[in-house]
Amino acid sequence: DAMVIQNPRYQVTQFGKPVTLSCSQTLNHNVMYWYQQKSSQAPKLLFHYYDKDFNNEADTPDNFQSRRPNTSFCFLDIRSPGLGDAAMYLCATSRGLADRKGETQYFGPGTRLLVL
Amino acid sequence: KQEVTQIPAALSVPEGENLVLNCSFTDSAIYNLQWFRQDPGKGLTSLLLIQSSQREQTSGRLNASLDKSSGRSTLYIAASQPGDSATYLCAVSYASDTGRRALTFGSGTRLQVQP
Repeated sequence: DAMVIQNPRYQVTQFGKPVTLSCSQTLNHNVMYWYQQKSSQAPKLLFHYYDKDFNNEADTPDNFQSRRPNTSFCFLDIRSPGLGDAAMYLCATSRGLADRKGETQYFGPGTRLLVL
Repeated sequence: KQEVTQIPAALSVPEGENLVLNCSFTDSAIYNLQWFRQDPGKGLTSLLLIQSSQREQTSGRLNASLDKSSGRSTLYIAASQPGDSATYLCAVSYASDTGRRALTFGSGTRLQVQP
């Protein structure tokens, strides 16, 4: 059974055209994360939500925003995509934050974004 | 700032070989370390998680070790199979400068097991 679901799996957008990526989870986890992964690079954390508490990484561009309307859903909004934003976007969840004993993150299959 | 390095970047071995993947990190004040598997174009699957107080974890043919003081971890795969072909990433969780809990990944080792 799918636990972390990302839609769509592939997204093509035009330079500067706003795009929204979707993530949902059936685990009832408190924390949801968005990562950006460019080809052959490490996933890079953009931000995370602990319940409704939003935590932005210091080097995440303002062009990237997120919304979490309820426990199950989290959205990544890219206001004006540039060519450099083409990447795989990974959503992950965890029960608690990374410092809790035994905590692990569960990842979705990712959305590959192409910017034309 | 925490940095995670994985060596080698790519590895090709014949089926049946035992192999070791390496991960190093610069800040030893970690909460835990995880090894993930990523198949091409797919998300990440957690393989093993080692708490900072532990030295190793085992799951089937996989064994991960952690030497926090030296900032190193290894993932040992016994009797490799073609189905093990994937990219293996390690990630450490730690408290960043802002006090936020962070998970930092290495770039991964791309493993190819030849039949």
